Formats: sequence, structure tokens, C-alpha cells
Amino acid sequence: EVQLVESGGDLVQPGGSLRVSCAVSGFTISSYAMSWVRQAPGKGLEWVSLISGSVGSTHYADSVRGRFTISRDYSKNTLLLQMTSLTAADTAVYYCAMTASHYMSFDYWGLGTLVTVSS
Amino acid sequence: DIVLTQSPGTLSLSPGERATLSCRASQSVSTTYLAWYQQKPGQAPRLLISGASSRATGIPDRFSGSGSGTDFTLTISRLEPEDFAVYYCQQYGSSLWTFGQGTKVEIK
Repeated sequence: EVQLVESGGDLVQPGGSLRVSCAVSGFTISSYAMSWVRQAPGKGLEWVSLISGSVGSTHYADSVRGRFTISRDYSKNTLLLQMTSLTAADTAVYYCAMTASHYMSFDYWGLGTLVTVSS
Repeated sequence: DIVLTQSPGTLSLSPGERATLSCRASQSVSTTYLAWYQQKPGQAPRLLISGASSRATGIPDRFSGSGSGTDFTLTISRLEPEDFAVYYCQQYGSSLWTFGQGTKVEIK
């Protein structure tokens, strides 16, 4: 059974950094593309970043490029998102999601972790 | 970047009625890369439709997707009480993924 469990969300000051994680079970993390999708309070969904399966190429939304870094910890079968230079606009629930097919949709989702950027 | 515009913003219907949700793209989208999601309050989104018209595993057949080019539609043939939620369309193109702003289907 595929399970995605996010953690690491916290209250952080503007300009600060934070790393959130997504523990994966039911498959090997390098087998599929994995993404981070966020949702600001009361707002819609925004794709943030994706790391492809076997090759591990990375892609970012313009809003986070240069500030966020997506990566994988193979030993822990975990997806990571390192966030720096955080602003209030980054406040959101961060979901990890897995892309299982060539349709490039988000087939499996975690429950999310809340990141709040505030002084 | 491709912008997806969903309409209406809110759809007020009664159980048993038919729901028709629209997703319009600012440029042509491959049908392979158009998906629909359902999200209920406090829950993660759930994939309903991928490839514009292929239902995801376990999705009831009252949900159907159609369309091509710049105009796509999600239809719920007969609304069940559990279908009242927010629905998002999503596209992939040029290594970017974008979502529409969502349509809320509420009980009339």
C-alpha cells in the first residue's frame, strides 16, 4: 500500500529556512516522480517542485526557483524540500505527491504539513 | 505558462442533479496531460480523472471527463452527498504543472 507522510512543518520567521520531509512506504522513492504541492490557507493548489524518477532531474515553479531545493534521501526512502529565504507568501500546507504514470498527474498524496512564516 | 480558468466558481445543486464543471486553458493542452481532482475540507486532494477522460482507480462511473485543446469538462452525472467538495483541474506542459483556481460544488 502506498503511503506518504509529511513532517517538519513549523512556524518560522521571515527570511528563515526550513526543511520538510515526506516518508514514503509501499514503493522505492527512486522509481517514480515525486512532487511538492502547496495550498495557502483558504486558497487553491500550487505546484512547487518535482524530482523525476530514475534520472532525478528537478523542476521548480518560478515562485520558488533559487530558494527551494527538492531532493531524495535513499537510505530513508524520503522526499525532502529545503526552503530558504521564506516569506509570508510561502505560508501553506505542503503536500507531497507521487506521479505513477505517463499522464503526469498526482496519483497519490500525503496529508500535508503546515508551514507558517510569521514574525 | 499555461493558465487554467475554471467556471463557475461555485455551483449550487441538489443531490441527484447533474454537475458540469468547465476548465479552459490559455493555450492548447494535450489530453494526455489534463487531470481533475476532488478536495474535501481538511483533506488532501484526490485524483479523479487523468488523461482528460480516464477515471482513477476506485472512482465511481458517475464521474466523467471530456474535452480537448483548450476546453475540458468534468461531469458528475448524479450528485451524491459525498460529492459536495472543491474540484480542481491540472495540466502539465514544458516541465511545469499548473492548477485551475477550483470550482466549489455546494448543496443548494
